[in-house]
Amino acid sequence: ILNVEQSPQSLHVQEGDSTNFTCSFPSSNFYALHWYRWETAKSPEALFVMTLNGDEKKKGRISATLNTKEGYSYLYIKGSQPEDSATYLCASGGYQKVTFGTGTKLQVIP
Amino acid sequence: DGGITQSPKYLFRKEGQNVTLSCEQNLNHDAMYWYRQDPGQGLRLIYYSQIVNDFQKGDIAEGYSVSREKKESFPLTVTSAQKNPTAFYLCASSMTGSGANVLTFGAGSRLTVL
Repeated sequence: ILNVEQSPQSLHVQEGDSTNFTCSFPSSNFYALHWYRWETAKSPEALFVMTLNGDEKKKGRISATLNTKEGYSYLYIKGSQPEDSATYLCASGGYQKVTFGTGTKLQVIP
Repeated sequence: DGGITQSPKYLFRKEGQNVTLSCEQNLNHDAMYWYRQDPGQGLRLIYYSQIVNDFQKGDIAEGYSVSREKKESFPLTVTSAQKNPTAFYLCASSMTGSGANVLTFGAGSRLTVL
């Protein structure tokens, strides 16, 4: 994998459902993996930055895991709420630069 | 409150004109970045700066220029040489230029070429 890739591109879930997204990144020369949430009309906001293989981070109902050997990270949202509706950006941090994927747009239906 | 201020929020430009987008931060961050977003694409890095009076080209620097005369400020000029300048521009900063540092973003500037 040469670029940062995210899937799915978009999804709709019912309120209360749990969901997850995938981020794939180049596993060679790995430095860090970032997750950001970008709500409409707001600035992207950092959720997690992970650097070690096997890292797991949690913030409320949102958690993320990291596998640097195979080059992927999962973001999980438990019990989705309408306020979780946003675009979730994944980025691979190099020594100096941070390269972003295209994002996963989540819509939570009340 | 500490943060990043981008201005203007919306900007219209005629073809052939240069325009400058402002980015100011009061977070005391050393590193600053400019990203561009187009529909269906991820954020693409235009320029970044790790210290005052120094900056590096990102992945799509052609047609853009920057300066970093003060730690707080990192203005981006979109020149007439940029073939397709209509886009959404985001400025960001981080404590240092390490790729492991969290980015703090501004609210963005939307440039439309008429």
